[in-house]
Amino acid sequence: DADVTQTPRNRITKTGKRIMLECSQTKGHDRMYWYRQDPGLGLRLIYYSFDVKDINKGEISDGYSVSRQAQAKFSLSLESAIPNQTALYFCATSDFGDAKNIQYFGAGTRLSVL
Amino acid sequence: AQKITQTQPGMFVQEKEAVTLDCTYDTSDPSYGLFWYKQPSSGEMIFLIYQGSYDQQNATEGRYSLNFQKARKSANLVISASQLGDSAMYFCAMREGTRNTPLVFGKGTRLSVIA
Repeated sequence: DADVTQTPRNRITKTGKRIMLECSQTKGHDRMYWYRQDPGLGLRLIYYSFDVKDINKGEISDGYSVSRQAQAKFSLSLESAIPNQTALYFCATSDFGDAKNIQYFGAGTRLSVL
Repeated sequence: AQKITQTQPGMFVQEKEAVTLDCTYDTSDPSYGLFWYKQPSSGEMIFLIYQGSYDQQNATEGRYSLNFQKARKSANLVISASQLGDSAMYFCAMREGTRNTPLVFGKGTRLSVIA
């Protein structure tokens, strides 16, 4: 089983719909991140959380919200989806005890907003 | 200004040859970390190699090595003896300061290995 699991893997939705992407991890890491990837733009940080009570905005948080329900779970919500939120979304985790802060990624969720 | 610059959108290399993927970075923080990730066509992001700003030696992990030139602010990835399975997108990333800061990624380089 994957250490960092994202659900769903693929999702097609319509403009204006609310959608939630979920991430769970079994690595025991305290830090979790959400990124989006657009062709030619690399990965951009949406939100990150260093523990259950800590939520921080990233570079492109507008239009998104997150919830850290437990140390192992971090959800990303699009309150009212729009077509330019069509992208590949990644969840990642890292461990405070790791001085390098290596991030480990889930397999990604491919989201299409029509 | 971009923190991480990868100037090669695409690269080709012959199987069994070595290839260098370029990465330059911009930071004024003396403490930072540099990372390379691989993204095959299946989409997942795979961690390859890490270099800390205070590390005296260039990092190596199997066929991967990082050519770290601090004064030039470059952290190029060298893949030796390329294999067809190395065909993928490669991303350079940086963590500025302590472990408490997230990563910033470059736009990536697509490597194609030719038989």
